[in-house]
Amino acid sequence: DADVTQTPRNRITKTGKRIMLECSQTKGHDRMYWYRQDPGLGLRLIYYSFDVKDINKGEISDGYSVSRQAQAKFSLSLESAIPNQTALYFCATSSGEGGYTFGSGTRLTVV
Amino acid sequence: GQNIDQPTEMTATEGAIVQINCTYQTSGFNGLFWYQQHAGEAPTFLSYNVLDGLEEKGRFSSFLSRSKGYSYLLLKELQMKDSASYLCAPSYGGATNKLIFGTGTLLAVQP
Repeated sequence: DADVTQTPRNRITKTGKRIMLECSQTKGHDRMYWYRQDPGLGLRLIYYSFDVKDINKGEISDGYSVSRQAQAKFSLSLESAIPNQTALYFCATSSGEGGYTFGSGTRLTVV
Repeated sequence: GQNIDQPTEMTATEGAIVQINCTYQTSGFNGLFWYQQHAGEAPTFLSYNVLDGLEEKGRFSSFLSRSKGYSYLLLKELQMKDSASYLCAPSYGGATNKLIFGTGTLLAVQP
């Protein structure tokens, strides 16, 4: 099993729908992150969490919300999806002392 | 922002050596990571530098100059499978250890 698992891998949804992307990890890391990646823009941080009771906005949090249900689970929600939220979304974890371990990504298309 | 600057694209020949440069803002800097990312896949860890100097790991080496805010990734004996994006990611903030990703350098290895 992968250390960081994202579901779903691919999703097509309609404008205005609420959608949740899920991330779970088996690395025992306290820190979890959500990024989106768009061509030419690199990885941009949406939200991050350093423990279950800690949630922080990243550089592009508008239109998104998160929930840290447990140390191992961190979900990202789009309350009302819009087409410019079409992107590749990555979840990542960290122990705080080293680099990040990434999930395989969720490719989201909003039509 | 952290003003991460790396070339957008590079082309090199199979068997050759290529150097990918990265400059970044030094204020609050902890250390620097390099990640490799194939199209549509998750970034994978390549190297981490915290002290000045060269770190060698097989065909890949990474250099850091903390005072100059400069790093490079050196890839030797290029193979076709090295065609990918290479992401420079400095970390900042002491205990928060937050990675900021550059937009990446897309390397094309030609026969």
